[in-house]
Amino acid sequence: GQQLNQSPQSMFIQEGEDVSMNCTSSSIFNTWLWYKQDPGEGPVLLIALYKAGELTSNGRLTAQFGITRKDSFLNISASIPSDVGIYFCAGQGTSGTYKYIFGTGTRLKVLA
Amino acid sequence: GAGVSQSPSNKVTEKGKDVELRCDPISGHTALYWYRQSLGQGLEFLIYFQGNSAPDKSGLPSDRFSAERTGGSVSTLTIQRTQQEDSAVYLCASSPDSRYSPLHFGNGTRLTVT
Repeated sequence: GQQLNQSPQSMFIQEGEDVSMNCTSSSIFNTWLWYKQDPGEGPVLLIALYKAGELTSNGRLTAQFGITRKDSFLNISASIPSDVGIYFCAGQGTSGTYKYIFGTGTRLKVLA
Repeated sequence: GAGVSQSPSNKVTEKGKDVELRCDPISGHTALYWYRQSLGQGLEFLIYFQGNSAPDKSGLPSDRFSAERTGGSVSTLTIQRTQQEDSAVYLCASSPDSRYSPLHFGNGTRLTVT
């Protein structure tokens, strides 16, 4: 299936630590999205990015649209137990049908 | 309701049977997507509808999979002659437009083929 490379695949961190994850593509994207998925639910949008170099924050979350337009990064500061879940990136192409392709996911576990 | 609605939430079927999964998008959203998520895996693109344009079917894994969208609203994903490897969560998402609009997801249909 069509998916983007996302790393790390999983992380175990202590409460209060900062977290970084990234997503890379072989294609240029016009839009990058970051989602969080809790067990048994659909993904929920965290941050949307629309311009190369853009840096956007949502509370303790900060995401960046890479300058090359082929990558994106998500940082979580001062993690808390409810940050546990799976984080996905998604990119939208520049032509054609504008479908969104998702990353393979980063599974985050926070140790209290 | 205000969100994307999928039904059924769970479906158990015997190998070889056909199944239909339904998605009701958010009212007014013109774009509708189907994704498949196998256990512990990422989201695999299946098919994308945008308004009256021909759907992008490039992610459908075989000709046993098909989808339609009636009246630009409700969509049905059909899997014929189900196989055990079809077991997964099937997620539907919609957005107001095809470009620059984030996706809003339903909670998915968990399909188990025995």
